[in-house]
Amino acid sequence: DAGITQSPRHKVTETGTPVTLRCHQTENHRYMYWYRQDPGHGLRLIHYSYGVKDTDKGEVSDGYSVSRSKTEDFLLTLESATSSQTSVYFCAIASGGLTRVEQFFGPGTRLTVL
Amino acid sequence: GEDVEQSLFLSVREGDSSVINCTYTDSSSTYLYWYKQEPGAGLQLLTYIFSNMDMKQDQRLTVLLNKKDKHLSLRIADTQTGDSAIYFCAEIGDGGYQKVTFGTGTKLQVIP
Repeated sequence: DAGITQSPRHKVTETGTPVTLRCHQTENHRYMYWYRQDPGHGLRLIHYSYGVKDTDKGEVSDGYSVSRSKTEDFLLTLESATSSQTSVYFCAIASGGLTRVEQFFGPGTRLTVL
Repeated sequence: GEDVEQSLFLSVREGDSSVINCTYTDSSSTYLYWYKQEPGAGLQLLTYIFSNMDMKQDQRLTVLLNKKDKHLSLRIADTQTGDSAIYFCAEIGDGGYQKVTFGTGTKLQVIP
């Protein structure tokens, strides 16, 4: 395993509540990512980080924010959860050179918004 | 934006070969990847191929790349029940780390 953990692994919450998911790595990798996985869509990038306090948006960033105050932790926050954010969320870290990216994935967090 | 397409489902008998196909649109792709996802787990990198290669073999896995047609395939020889999983192809364009695009995934079912 690449030393990536996610917490919580499962969460059920109600519409309108804030939710924070945590990704923790022990590999000291610079790049970290948050994806969501939905049937028929594969994995879609929400946000990514290229260093402490350096983050940028992916293709489905609306309704999500992220923070990275330490190399090892990357937090994903749903400010006000909606049912459309019910999904499985994966964190990933990346190693490799500028163009050859090898991503290692965490075990995922299954989020249900009622 | 870039699209990566895969068929959703493939069923094969144990011992047969499996071929999972993928088409992509980004002509600037530098590396193409195959990931495996077992139930309840994250994705694991299986293999990758550089865009100037036509073929790569790694034990039971053979990756074929047709850059002209933007077609990538993964062949699994002597498919086993442990190969049952969802397989994702992915490409990285010239944007580097932030431009990894995943396909929709193909669920492989191996029948004993």
